[in-house]
Formats: sequence, structure tokens, C-alpha cells
Amino acid sequence: AQSVTQLDSHVSVSEGTPVLLRCNYSSSYSPSLFWYVQHPNKGLQLLLKYTSAATLVKGINGFEAEFKKSETSFHLTKPSAHMSDAAEYFCVVSDGGGGADGLTFGKGTHLIIQP
Amino acid sequence: ETGVTQTPRHLVMGMTNKKSLKCEQHLGHNAMYWYKQSAKKPLELMFVYNFKEQTENNSVPSRFSPECPNSSHLFLHLHTLQPEDSALYLCASSQGRVHEQYFGPGTRLTVT
Repeated sequence: AQSVTQLDSHVSVSEGTPVLLRCNYSSSYSPSLFWYVQHPNKGLQLLLKYTSAATLVKGINGFEAEFKKSETSFHLTKPSAHMSDAAEYFCVVSDGGGGADGLTFGKGTHLIIQP
Repeated sequence: ETGVTQTPRHLVMGMTNKKSLKCEQHLGHNAMYWYKQSAKKPLELMFVYNFKEQTENNSVPSRFSPECPNSSHLFLHLHTLQPEDSALYLCASSQGRVHEQYFGPGTRLTVT
């Protein structure tokens, strides 16, 4: 079985300051982890993915995430927020166990960028 | 055209109408999905097709009827919907169940 918890439903930062979106997961196998972004009335876009290679993963638009097995975390960061980063972000886990679970989505974190 | 496309992008229908949503993927994937996204609620997986076979139906009411004629096309047939069915309906595809999914832009459905 697998699950994912996004620790904050809303995060507000000022433009130009760092962004941290927190995600914890549980998995029975070696997981694959993903972050998706969704702008209003749009589909979900893949930001980055971890699949057991380097633990620090770089994605699009300056985002990156670090896989920490000891903390079962996969937090998303960006050094400097831009107004266009305002969106909903989803952390997703796949345990690769071949079961029916497939991908499990978190409930999302709404990122607000203050001018 | 690349990626995952969905038509129509917006749909308004009455409760007695019958309509269909269409999804097409140009990625060569073998799995396709329908999701429902309502305001203030988590993403809900509705149906999963793997190699054109339905592998999952998450207790979706029978007024929603999926169809997958081939690995590239997925339909969601709608009939006698309720106002609470108003939502953004997202289609996605992937190469296998455990890999990342690629999403279409969604169909915004309003049931009046």
C-alpha cells in the first residue's frame, strides 16, 4: 500500500523569496515520486520525477526536490518565487509494486505569491 | 499534434441530455485514465484502461460510461447527469500503471 501527505493546504510567499512545499510518503516498495503543477482550469503538468537515481531532482521552471528515505519526504523547493508560480501543486507516489494502486495523488498545496 | 488532447474544452448540458467527452493521446502509451476534479475536493480516479481493457472502476455511477476503442482514444459517455456532476474532467495516459501520467487540459462540465 502507498500513501502521500501534503503537509500544507496553502502556502503564501512573497515574490523573489524561497518556496518550500512539503510532502511525506509511505510505500511498501522502493517508490517513484512526482510533483505536478496545475494552473487554474488547466490540466496537470509534470514538474519533476524521482525514480531511484540521484536523490536531488531538478525539474522545470527552476523547481527541484530532494528524496530523503530516512525522513520519507520529497519536499519541493525553488530559490526565488515568481508570480507565474501561483498554482496548485500535487505530490504523487508510485510504489512500483505492480499492484492495482498505480499512482496515489496528494490533496494538493495551493501556492500564493504575494507581490 | 502532441501530448494528450481533450474535446470539448467546455460543455454545458441539461440533466436529460446525452453527451460524450473525447480524449486522444499521441504518446504511444498503453494506459489511459479518467479523473474527476471538483472544487475543494481531491482528484478522484474514475476509470482505468490498460491495453484497451478496463482494469479499474472506482464505484462510478452508471450515468458515466467509458469506452476505449483503441490505445490512443478514450471516451466518457454522459447521460442523465446531476448538478453535482459539474466538475473538471481530466484524461491522462501513461506507459504502464506505475509510471508518470501525462494529462490533457480537461473538459469543464456544467450540468444545469
